[in-house]
Amino acid sequence: DVKVTQSSRYLVKRTGEKVFLECVQDMDHENMFWYRQDPGLGLRLIYFSYDVKMKEKGDIPEGYSVSREKKERFSLILESASTNQTSMYLCASSEPGRLPPYEQYFGPGTRLTVT
Amino acid sequence: RKEVEQDPGPFNVPEGATVAFNCTYSNSASQSFFWYRQDCRKEPKLLMSVYSSGNEDGRFTAQLNRASQYISLLIRDSKLSDSATYLCVVNMADQGGTSYGKLTFGQGTILTVHP
Repeated sequence: DVKVTQSSRYLVKRTGEKVFLECVQDMDHENMFWYRQDPGLGLRLIYFSYDVKMKEKGDIPEGYSVSREKKERFSLILESASTNQTSMYLCASSEPGRLPPYEQYFGPGTRLTVT
Repeated sequence: RKEVEQDPGPFNVPEGATVAFNCTYSNSASQSFFWYRQDCRKEPKLLMSVYSSGNEDGRFTAQLNRASQYISLLIRDSKLSDSATYLCVVNMADQGGTSYGKLTFGQGTILTVHP
C-alpha cells in the first residue's frame, strides 16, 4: 500500500525560528513535491525534486529551501519562520518518468502555526 | 488570470441530485487533466483522470474540451459520502516540453450533499 508520511500533524513555532518539515515515502518514487494549502488559494507548489540531490523551484519558493539526500526523504526548511508562513503543508510523491498518469500520492499534511 | 480556475461553489445539494463542476485552464500546452477529491482535514486523492473522449467511473463522468480549454465533472445520484472538495488539476509542460510530473491545482469546489 502506498504511503507518504510527514513528521508532524501539528506544529507551532515562533517567528524567526528555523523549521524543518520531513516527508518520507515508501514507494521508491523519484518525484517528490512540497505544497502549501491556504483557503481560497488552493494548493501551491513550493519546491519539487525529481532525483536525489536535485531540486527545482515551484511557484512560491521564497522563504523556503529543501533537501533531498535520500530518495525516500524530502525535507522542507523554513529558514526564518514568519507569520505569513502559517499554513497547511502537504508533501507528495509520484512515479518516475515523463508520461501520465502523474498521480501524486499525498501525505496527511502538517498544520504549521507561526506566532 | 489563474492557471486553473474552478466554479467557486460551495454547492449544497440533496441526496440523489446531479451536480456538475466546471474548470478552465489557461495553458493550451497542458497535457494531462485530473479531478482530485479532498475530504475535510484529509489529503487530496486522485478521483479520476480526464480524457478527450470523456470517461466514466460509476456515477462520475469527466469531460475535456481542449478547444475551449474546459474540463467538467458530473456526479449523478449524489450520496452523502460525496461531500468533499473537488480539485481540478492540470499537468503543464515547461518550456522544454517536460514536466517532471508537476501539477497545477485549482482552488477547489466544496460539495455538501444533505439528506
